[in-house]
Amino acid sequence: GDSVTQMEGPVTLSEEAFLTINCTYTATGYPSLFWYVQYPGEGLQLLLKATKADDKGSNKGFEATYRKETTSFHLEKGSVQVSDSAVYFCALNTNAGKSTFGDGTTLTVKP
Amino acid sequence: DSGVTQTPKHLITATGQRVTLRCSPRSGDLSVYWYQQSLDQGLQFLIQYYNGEERAKGNILERFSAQQFPDLHSELNLSSLELGDSALYFCASSVFPSGAGETQYFGPGTRLLVL
Repeated sequence: GDSVTQMEGPVTLSEEAFLTINCTYTATGYPSLFWYVQYPGEGLQLLLKATKADDKGSNKGFEATYRKETTSFHLEKGSVQVSDSAVYFCALNTNAGKSTFGDGTTLTVKP
Repeated sequence: DSGVTQTPKHLITATGQRVTLRCSPRSGDLSVYWYQQSLDQGLQFLIQYYNGEERAKGNILERFSAQQFPDLHSELNLSSLELGDSALYFCASSVFPSGAGETQYFGPGTRLLVL
């Protein structure tokens, strides 16, 4: 079946540090790939997405590129802020209608 | 605010009981999804409805059932509750069924505690 594997957390960084959260997937067909963010006490919010190979999703300084050859969708940000502290989920959707999420990576950014 | 509403926000009940969680999708969205988020299982997809019809099923237990009504709101029914059903239950909605690139908008969740 489909699966998403995320870098284990928690991740703790200082403000302005570079962030990478690794995500690899296994899926049949051609899934769409997503990063969601969950702030404490809230639901998930879409951060960015990519629907085909070599697409780059970007939003609020975050980026991720759909790499079919390595089945990866790593999340990056050049300079994190305290307000980026949250849980980040990598996910995939297939045309069959099923969504698969990674286990989430908790990011804490210290001033 | 995603535009997806869920009620109640919190629910405390006992083992063996039955509860109903309610979700109203964003205006114009035809598809509704249910997820369970627990500490040991992570975020698990339960079921998807599109315009009143079941479209996809994930890891939903037989004790759980859902439906989507003509006004497009959805209810998730959990019966014969066990301690392990304690979790955060999220509803999400999208315009069309989940497919290439369809974005899901998540509600704030219902926190269920089974004692």
